[in-house]
Amino acid sequence: KNQVEQSPQSLIILEGKNCTLQCNYTVSPFSNLRWYKQDTGRGPVSLTIMTFSENTKSNGRYTATLDADTKQSSLHITASQLSDSASYICVVQRTGRRALTFGSGTRLQVQP
Amino acid sequence: GAVVSQHPSRVICKSGTSVKIECRSLDFQATTMFWYRQFPKQSLMLMATSNEGSKATYEQGVEKDKFLINHASLTLSTLTVTSAHPEDSSFYICSAYTGGRSHEQYFGPGTRLTVT
Repeated sequence: KNQVEQSPQSLIILEGKNCTLQCNYTVSPFSNLRWYKQDTGRGPVSLTIMTFSENTKSNGRYTATLDADTKQSSLHITASQLSDSASYICVVQRTGRRALTFGSGTRLQVQP
Repeated sequence: GAVVSQHPSRVICKSGTSVKIECRSLDFQATTMFWYRQFPKQSLMLMATSNEGSKATYEQGVEKDKFLINHASLTLSTLTVTSAHPEDSSFYICSAYTGGRSHEQYFGPGTRLTVT
């Protein structure tokens, strides 16, 4: 079954600290993996998108990694800010399909 | 990046009425748009895939007669919730597919529907 699983489900960190979110997937055949940030009551915003041949991609303080062999990805947030408080969703796309498979998300709360 | 808008952002309607939600790609043409539903503290659930000029493809368990989708142009798709019930209250999000090699989908800001 094509699934995307994320951990932890929720996370609380102090402002300025780093954190890493995890994503495991069984989606096949694999086309690409995306990380989205979703603020409460808003639509998701793309952070990174990686294809099979890419194993790391950065977007400012966000760095995503991909291990296509073990089907794992991580999103590392450096020097967290209060505005980083949001849900972070890992999404995988299958080859030949436009529809996306969503993880359940990690709810991150950054406290002052 | 590309911009996708939704209108209205919030709507409250009475049970039994119909509500139309618009999704527009503002600076690109989208041959495919997707409609999602999201319950509190849950991730997005795909409802249907909307292709310009053809009938929408609905996911299993989604009633096509209740959630009418029209993709009349390359920049506009509409979702009409017919005979709304309180259990239809949810956050509805659309996304537009840009095509090409970018694989990118851009999401709208969402529409909060409350049925009283």
